[in-house]
Amino acid sequence: GQNIDQPTEMTATEGAIVQINCTYQTSGFNGLFWYQQHAGEAPTFLSYNVLDGLEEKGRFSSFLSRSKGYSYLLLKELQMKDSASYLCAVMDSNYQLIWGAGTKLIIKP
Amino acid sequence: IAGITQAPTSQILAAGRRMTLRCTQDMRHNAMYWYRQDLGLGLRLIHYSNTAGTTGKGEVPDGYSVSRANTDDFPLTLASAVPSQTSVYFCASSKTSGDKPDTQYFGPGTRLTVL
Repeated sequence: GQNIDQPTEMTATEGAIVQINCTYQTSGFNGLFWYQQHAGEAPTFLSYNVLDGLEEKGRFSSFLSRSKGYSYLLLKELQMKDSASYLCAVMDSNYQLIWGAGTKLIIKP
Repeated sequence: IAGITQAPTSQILAAGRRMTLRCTQDMRHNAMYWYRQDLGLGLRLIHYSNTAGTTGKGEVPDGYSVSRANTDDFPLTLASAVPSQTSVYFCASSKTSGDKPDTQYFGPGTRLTVL
């Protein structure tokens, strides 16, 4: 079966760094997406990885290891506005997105 | 309009009633999608359309139908609503026709409660 696993909830301190992990088992792989979703709002695109390695985009970075079925999202210099859910999704062989349940990130002052 | 709009924003519906959730995009995207989001679960694909005139079933299509008469609109119909269809429904679109990796962009969602 297809499965995406990520922690349910994480807590971090303003100004710190946090890493959100995602492991996956899917039928085929056409890339991994990270989305941010604030409470009561729509998911918004953060990053896309299809090759192994680290992609950096400002305070956010995303890493992929295809051989390990593993990705992480790294958030630096945390701000209160980063409090949100972070969704990991894998595009399978049919170009459909398979979604994890999301990680709720709580930022404390 | 800029992006994707959905209507209504929220709705309370009696079980057994018919309901259509509307979705319109102005980005001339080829592919459109309907998802439901339930607490503790990932987004689940209900139906999709790779181009105008075509539709396909996702992971959880039972009890739902869609149509894609033109590029911009992708309505989702619940023929006879049941309480298990209580959820937040998101419409999304992507530029390509579902035949290559592409980013999906989401509408604001419709919160539906079936009593």
